[in-house]
Amino acid sequence: GEDVEQSLFLSVREGDSSVINCTYTDSSSTYLYWYKQEPGAGLQLLTYIFSNMDMKQDQRLTVLLNKKDKHLSLRIADTQTGDSAIYFCAERGSNYKLTFGKGTLLTVNP
Amino acid sequence: DAGITQSPRYKITETGRQVTLMCHQTWSHSYMFWYRQDLGHGLRLIYYSAAADITDKGEVPDGYVVSRSKTENFPLTLESATRSQTSVYFCASENQRDRGSYGYTFGSGTRLTVV
Repeated sequence: GEDVEQSLFLSVREGDSSVINCTYTDSSSTYLYWYKQEPGAGLQLLTYIFSNMDMKQDQRLTVLLNKKDKHLSLRIADTQTGDSAIYFCAERGSNYKLTFGKGTLLTVNP
Repeated sequence: DAGITQSPRYKITETGRQVTLMCHQTWSHSYMFWYRQDLGHGLRLIYYSAAADITDKGEVPDGYVVSRSKTENFPLTLESATRSQTSVYFCASENQRDRGSYGYTFGSGTRLTVV
């Protein structure tokens, strides 16, 4: 079945880069997504990558996809305190529905 | 206002009571979803709907009922609330034609406490 795994916690210093990792199991995934959830709010789509791409860059965000290893990462350059949130990885599998990881809590220390 | 709205934002109810959480979207998206979010479990799909009058169970449907008589509304009812249903509930929607780069759009959530 489909499963998405990600580490639960990450702590970085302000100004450093953050890298959040994710692994998934469905080899027929078409799109992979990163969502951000701030305290008391819903999930907000940050970025996505199509499965035939290796990398996508969007301002401070870089998404890397290793399809062979089914590994996805999100790099946030120059991490700011406003980046503190829970980040969810999600895959769109063969049943077209999204499967979410449990989320990574990113804490940015001043 | 355009978007997806959930109501109420906060709800406290007693064990055994029936409670309905509302979800309304303005885009006429065909797909709608209900998730619950709990510490240690992430997001778990309760029910989803592909169109008006078409609903299907997700991962954790027991104790919940949904209906979708109109495309824009997707209410979630807890028939007899239990403490284990204390959670944050999120509604989401997606247009069938956009099943790609847009992903799901989420509401702001309803925090439900069952005492």
